[in-house]
Amino acid sequence: KAGVTQTPRYLIKTRGQQVTLSCSPISGHRSVSWYQQTPGQGLQFLFEYFSETQRNKGNFPGRFSGRQFSNSRSEMNVSTLELGDSALYLCASSNWTSGYEQYFGPGTRLTVT
Amino acid sequence: AQSVAQPEDQVNVAEGNPLTVKCTYSVSGNPYLFWYVQYPNRGLQFLLKYITGDNLVKGSYGFEAEFNKSQTSFHLKKQSALVSDSALYFCAVRAYGNNRLAFGKGNQVVVIP
Repeated sequence: KAGVTQTPRYLIKTRGQQVTLSCSPISGHRSVSWYQQTPGQGLQFLFEYFSETQRNKGNFPGRFSGRQFSNSRSEMNVSTLELGDSALYLCASSNWTSGYEQYFGPGTRLTVT
Repeated sequence: AQSVAQPEDQVNVAEGNPLTVKCTYSVSGNPYLFWYVQYPNRGLQFLLKYITGDNLVKGSYGFEAEFNKSQTSFHLKKQSALVSDSALYFCAVRAYGNNRLAFGKGNQVVVIP
């Protein structure tokens, strides 16, 4: 079974721009979560989508948003990029029948200059 | 709110010696506990989980973890460390009915040949 895939793997953007990251979950998984990883703050939960509905949201500003499509693929968008948004963005998928563990993709490394 | 503490920044161990990575948690209700490992420039790889049942949980690559409810701990162990075990290890917790993972800051494990 193919794992979680994320595109693009690397991205360089300028302050003020916006960016869209994509995540394809493991086949059959309906829950997709997004996390931000930085050296200073560690791993922080952004949001979770299940069956196209946002089910949980972390403590991030409204510039961070996401959505999920009917095939469970998910995108997250960051508008008006700031230097502090530079991070590794990780997507994870899970299936209630898999025992609740989340499987992570390789991440998208976003650099904001 | 759920939280995880991983008290040590780095764990150094000689190859062949036992390895322990410590984790304590805080969560309302019964905990769902996980260990993940991250290699450089990679996403998180699932090692093992505790949901219910036996306090000693066995996972991938010879790792196991012991759940201790009274001490709210979930320490990761391996009997004989390998150089290839050198990586960043994360403990995570979530509450029942909530897919939002709270991670510890991570422990860098260095296995010395």
